[in-house]
Amino acid sequence: DGGITQSPKYLFRKEGQNVTLSCEQNLNHDAMYWYRQDPGQGLRLIYYSQIVNDFQKGDIAEGYSVSREKKESFPLTVTSAQKNPTAFYLCASSMTGETQYFGPGTRLLVL
Amino acid sequence: GESVGLHLPTLSVQEGDNSIINCAYSNSASDYFIWYKQESGKGPQFIIDIRSNMDKRQGQRVTVLLNKTVKHLSLQIAATQPGDSAVYFCAENMGGGADGLTFGKGTHLIIQP
Repeated sequence: DGGITQSPKYLFRKEGQNVTLSCEQNLNHDAMYWYRQDPGQGLRLIYYSQIVNDFQKGDIAEGYSVSREKKESFPLTVTSAQKNPTAFYLCASSMTGETQYFGPGTRLLVL
Repeated sequence: GESVGLHLPTLSVQEGDNSIINCAYSNSASDYFIWYKQESGKGPQFIIDIRSNMDKRQGQRVTVLLNKTVKHLSLQIAATQPGDSAVYFCAENMGGGADGLTFGKGTHLIIQP
């Protein structure tokens, strides 16, 4: 099956803990993105990457980090510096300049 | 602030009627617009897109209209069905390339039987 997968579906974070959200795509897309969605709100861009080993900050990058070591993978780390991490995290991918397609999301909750 | 927004947070329509969801944008440099449908607890699903060199595009039961003069985008859904119940987002791309999208807050479409 082709598509975008995110794991886990639910993730719990303790105070002061870093957690990593996985995003994988087998669509051969060049660009990948991370968005955050709060209840009743639209999506806000955290980070994006247009090519391997390169990425740019989005509108709300503080408290997050990413890597793009492989074309298929774009993991997002929510660091302890992110004071309000509870949200629905969505990963997307696209060919350059084309439509972005989204994964199923990871819901992050703080214990 | 956000450059993309929606006029109504909730829209209720009768099953079988046509639905029109509106969106305003403020950046005249935006050149690509997308409508997404999001069901509860799921990722957004692509519906239809339009580029700034067009003013209308049709898909299966959906039509997107773009009015660049007033910076307005609309999504028309014909013969609304129960499965159309969801939150609909418009999004714009200002980068002309692979930059991220800017989303509005969304409109919750409710289908009355």
